Amino acid sequence: AQTVTQSQPEMSVQEAETVTLSCTYDTSENNYYLFWYKQPPSRQMILVIRQEAYKQQNATENRFSVNFQKAAKSFSLKISDSQLGDTAMYFCAFMKPLLEYGNKLVFGAGTILRVKS
Amino acid sequence: SQTIHQWPATLVQPVGSPLSLECTVEGTSNPNLYWYRQAAGRGLQLLFYSVGIGQISSEVPQNLSASRPQDRQFILSSKKLLLSDSGFYLCAWVRGITYGYTFGSGTRLTVV
Repeated sequence: AQTVTQSQPEMSVQEAETVTLSCTYDTSENNYYLFWYKQPPSRQMILVIRQEAYKQQNATENRFSVNFQKAAKSFSLKISDSQLGDTAMYFCAFMKPLLEYGNKLVFGAGTILRVKS
Repeated sequence: SQTIHQWPATLVQPVGSPLSLECTVEGTSNPNLYWYRQAAGRGLQLLFYSVGIGQISSEVPQNLSASRPQDRQFILSSKKLLLSDSGFYLCAWVRGITYGYTFGSGTRLTVV
């Protein structure tokens, strides 16, 4: 079974600075997807960024980018120019795209990020 | 456009009472549907998923059950709630594999 590990329970960063959240996963699959979700205090789950394992190029969405190291099974999230609104819990997630498998999303335990003014 | 509705938003129930949480999706057909539970300050645990009407897969044996009576409706139930059933319950559907899941706004359940 796939597992996702987020080794940083909590992190803090000053407004406008850059922070990197770590994520590692364990799988024997070659084709899969990785995601970062954000859960602000409202508890609404919001997709931040996604990465297809077959793509070598790291995904980027505005201030959010990932460092995908397939061989190392690492998928870190970099947030540039941190804003107060980035304060949230961030979840790393793994999906093996297989209908018989239910296209299930496996989540890490999450990292609480606090942006300080 | 596709939307997902989940209700109620908050629920306080006594131990031993029944439970019914409902989730519906609009603007799509035959979605994969999921129920997750999030304990306080922790990650998301997959409880049930469904790939079609009447098809339910259980991930964790427990006091809960799920049903899918219609294509876009997913219900989480319990006959008798336990204190340990307290938590934040999230319904989700897959818009498309590359897009990941879209989540409902969640139900905060407190069993007292």
